[in-house]
Amino acid sequence: AQSVSQHNHHVILSEAASLELGCNYSYGGTVNLFWYVQYPGQHLQLLLKYFSGDPLVKGIKGFEAEFIKSKFSFNLRKPSVQWSDTAEYFCAVNPGGGADGLTFGKGTHLIIQP
Amino acid sequence: DTAVSQTPKYLVTQMGNDKSIKCEQNLGHDTMYWYKQDSKKFLKIMFSYNNKELIINETVPNRFSPKSPDKAHLNLHINSLELGDSAVYFCASSQALGAAYGYTFGSGTRLTVV
Repeated sequence: AQSVSQHNHHVILSEAASLELGCNYSYGGTVNLFWYVQYPGQHLQLLLKYFSGDPLVKGIKGFEAEFIKSKFSFNLRKPSVQWSDTAEYFCAVNPGGGADGLTFGKGTHLIIQP
Repeated sequence: DTAVSQTPKYLVTQMGNDKSIKCEQNLGHDTMYWYKQDSKKFLKIMFSYNNKELIINETVPNRFSPKSPDKAHLNLHINSLELGDSAVYFCASSQALGAAYGYTFGSGTRLTVV
């Protein structure tokens, strides 16, 4: 079965700092990749997704992610974070349109200090 | 209009009781899911239904029984509630099986068993 690893469980940054959250997955075939964000007390919202094509994917709120197939990675980046980016971030994998649903990583809790 | 709505938002109940959580989506999606998010924010799939047919049934105690009267509804019934069932339960839907388009999540039901 596939798995998703998010290396940083807690990240604390100051406003305007650059952000990179790591995500690695274990699955040898074609995958669909996602990043979701969960603001405090809210439901999960889709930030961005990768199916195929350009490995650099741009999402909402200035986030982007790069799919590196050789490294089985899909890291999330933002050049300059804001206080409002404080949230839980989840990487998720769905193997090539399969019926297994999404497998989520354990999440990264991001705190942005003003 | 809320795309995926869950009721109730909060549920506090005693051990041994039976309770239900309802979920409805008005997106015309074919596939619906139940996820459990534990106190450490880890999200784990419980069930998925596609056009009222059970597709995924993860290792979940048989005290949990999903029911899908039509493809717009997926309810979760829990018998003989235990302390360990305390969690946030998220309903989600996707356009079709395989989650290739990502999920739309409901706002969650926070279940507390006392």
